Order: sequence, then C-alpha cells, then structure tokens
Amino acid sequence: NAGVMQNPRHLVRRRGQEARLRCSPMKGHSHVYWYRQLPEEGLKFMVYLQKENIIDESGMPKERFSAEFPKEGPSILRIQQVVRGDSAAYFCASSGQGPYEQYFGPGTRLTVT
Amino acid sequence: AQSVTQLDSQVPVFEEAPVELRCNYSSSVSVYLFWYVQYPNQGLQLLLKYLSGSTLVKGINGFEAEFNKSQTSFHLRKPSVHISDTAEYFCAVSRNTGTASKLTFGTGTRLQVTL
Repeated sequence: NAGVMQNPRHLVRRRGQEARLRCSPMKGHSHVYWYRQLPEEGLKFMVYLQKENIIDESGMPKERFSAEFPKEGPSILRIQQVVRGDSAAYFCASSGQGPYEQYFGPGTRLTVT
Repeated sequence: AQSVTQLDSQVPVFEEAPVELRCNYSSSVSVYLFWYVQYPNQGLQLLLKYLSGSTLVKGINGFEAEFNKSQTSFHLRKPSVHISDTAEYFCAVSRNTGTASKLTFGTGTRLQVTL
C-alpha cells in the first residue's frame, strides 16, 4: 500500500518562473492538505482540498499561489512568478473520511535562485 | 483558532536517559492532539494521537503522551531514549468536530541524543 507520493522531491526555479508541485494521496484517501515549512520553522497550513473542491484555503497567500485536486490525477500546488521567499519544503498530507490522522509525503524542497 | 506552544526548541539528553518534550495548546473548542516526528530531509511520521477516551496514549517506538485538559497540555515522554530517537518532534492539534480539518503545529523540539 503506497504512501503519500510527492514529486518532484527537489525543484530549482529561477525568480519569476512557475513551480508545480504534485501530490498523490494514499489509496482510499479523499482529503488532501498542503503545508509549508520554512527553514528552522514548524509547518504552516496552506490549503485543504477534497476532489474538485477547496474546503479551506485560509493559509494560502492571496497572490501567486493556487491549488487544485481534480477528479482524476494528483493534487497540484502551483506557485507563479516565484520569489526567493518561496524557498521552502512543501508537504502534502492525506486522510480518510472523519477526524483521522494525516499521513505525510516526503515533501518537495523548492529552491528559488 | 488554535495555537500550539513547544517551549523547548532543543533538548539534549544522554542515551538511555528519560525525556519529556513539552506541548501546550490553546483553543476555544475541543481538539484532537498529535505528536509527529521528522527525521532529516524526510516527511512527518505520526508517533501517537489523542482523539478521546483514556488520557494516556501509547505510540510507536516506546513513546507515550498524557492529555491534561485542565492544564491544556500534551507532553511526550519516553523512559529510555536511543541514539536513533534524534530528530525533530512536532506537537499538533486539530478541531474536534468529527470531521477532517487542518493541523496547527508547534514550532518543534529538536531532540539530540548523545552517548
């Protein structure tokens, strides 16, 4: 039973480029969460999605960031026109129905040069 | 809104010694409580969780935690640590609504186990 998968594991972008981060939840999970971890900090919630719906985006920056979880395929976190401050580890987690624990992927480490 | 405070950013301890990592939370509603561990350059792994019932919960790798509602705490303990326990530990809460919701994390405690 594969866990949460994220790709790429490492991503390097120049300032102004777009970054696309992918997350495939665990089999049977329909809830996906994105978190960001800045150096030497804890994880900060960004967005919570179910299939084709954004449930909670209270942690998403107002500009340049967007997320989707289509009916088919992985969840995508998109960052447009990246800046150096976007450099961080981005983690995806998934859970089943109900208040169950979230299972985390290995993360995508984004470096903006 | 919920918040989590992990007062100790680093905890050094000798191998085979006991350890306690402190976690306090603040919330206007009931919460679920979690401890996660993160090894270098890896994702988070769930150690244990409190949803309801017994306030003493046991997790993987010999860790346990006790939920104290009056003190709004959920401290993590292990009676005898091993070198392999060296990692970052995060306390987290989510709203107790019976449905899935986001996690709010503390800033983490780095446990450094030495010989």
